Amino acid sequence: QSVLTQPPSASGRPGQRVTISCSGGSSNIGSNSVNWYQQVPGTAPKLLLFSTNQRPSGVPDRFSGSKSGSSASLAISGLQSEDEADYYCATWDGSLNGMVFGGGTQLTVL
Amino acid sequence: QLQLQESGPGLMTPSETLSLTCTVSGGSVSSSAYYWGWIRQPPGKGLEWIGNFYYGGSTYYNPSLKSRVTISAGTSKKQFSLRLTSVTAADTAVYYCARPSDRGLSAFDVWGQGTMVIVSS
Repeated sequence: QSVLTQPPSASGRPGQRVTISCSGGSSNIGSNSVNWYQQVPGTAPKLLLFSTNQRPSGVPDRFSGSKSGSSASLAISGLQSEDEADYYCATWDGSLNGMVFGGGTQLTVL
Repeated sequence: QLQLQESGPGLMTPSETLSLTCTVSGGSVSSSAYYWGWIRQPPGKGLEWIGNFYYGGSTYYNPSLKSRVTISAGTSKKQFSLRLTSVTAADTAVYYCARPSDRGLSAFDVWGQGTMVIVSS
């Protein structure tokens, strides 16, 4: 049981916009910024967004993030086949004094 | 360019102590102002944070693993290690070493390729 809750799956057609939610609580998302990771099966995760909505160098601006209260969202616009991967949200939890991950969302590009 | 590489035993017997080493190239564990961390992923499951370590001595551990985990400096300034005692089949996973960016202890921007550890009798 993950501290952060994500839908197990999401899907969309090429060119569409998809959003993935991440729900937490006051001690984690409610009081800290959120990071998102993209993981293609068989490879190491890649930092996709940090500080809720900042993109590391090289990440397309099709990827964006937002946060409201104790929930966060990852949006992918102009969906492409190479976006098919697992996506994880993560943040620091002040009560646990440690990092927490969401359970992950498997994105399928139809 | 900073690169990380995990190394350790691929197969373990229950109740043994797991020891993994992360070797850093293009940087140094001791001279940087960064934390260094370990994350694992059981087969077919999600990511689990194990802990973060700072060469100056500060550490943070996952509360669910804290009683069995130690993350510390390695034998050289370019290494840090993970020690997990009393392993069981539930500890079977790909273990990644990674470095959080300067944007927060949960924003890991550099990862090793991962090493698979199987615990089986």
